[in-house]
Amino acid sequence: GNSVTQMEGPVTLSEEAFLTINCTYTATGYPSLFWYVQYPGEGLQLLLKATKADDKGSNKGFEATYRKETTSFHLEKGSVQVSDSAVYFCALISPGTGNQFYFGTGTSLTVIP
Amino acid sequence: NAGVTQTPKFRVLKTGQSMTLLCAQDMNHEYMYWYRQDPGMGLRLIHYSVGEGTTAKGEVPDGYNVSRLKKQNFLLGLESAAPSQTSVYFCASNHFGRNTEAFFGQGTRLTVV
Repeated sequence: GNSVTQMEGPVTLSEEAFLTINCTYTATGYPSLFWYVQYPGEGLQLLLKATKADDKGSNKGFEATYRKETTSFHLEKGSVQVSDSAVYFCALISPGTGNQFYFGTGTSLTVIP
Repeated sequence: NAGVTQTPKFRVLKTGQSMTLLCAQDMNHEYMYWYRQDPGMGLRLIHYSVGEGTTAKGEVPDGYNVSRLKKQNFLLGLESAAPSQTSVYFCASNHFGRNTEAFFGQGTRLTVV
């Protein structure tokens, strides 16, 4: 079946620290992978995506590389800001399962000045 | 540039009452989804629709019904609300295809007392 596992939170970092949020997946077929971000009181927004192995998605200083050999899609940012405080969700779409998204449980990030 | 709009944004129900949540999208998307978000459980799919007049069950469909009479609207109904249905509900939509991102509404916070 399809599933996404991401690191448990909450994560608290000081401003300008390095961020890694781990995400691994299991999927039937060849999935596309996504990171979504949810700011307080809002819906989810796409942060970045990758659609094939070794693709790197990037946006707003965040990056994630599609690693098929390790079935991973870890989110990284070199220097976090207070404004990055949010909940981050890893997700996948897999062919053969309609158009359904499978989400991880979310990782809450708080950045302190 | 409305995107996905959910109404209402907040609601308090008494146990046993009924209500309907409305989701409207203006992007001509084929697929629409209803999720619920609970602490520590991420997003769980309730029902989804692959086109006008079609609906299908997701991971947690019990206690909910849906209808998609028009392509742009997807309604979620609770016939007899229970405290276990206290949650934040999100609607999402996208085009068919493994590379397409999902667009989310702002959410409906429902409390059943």
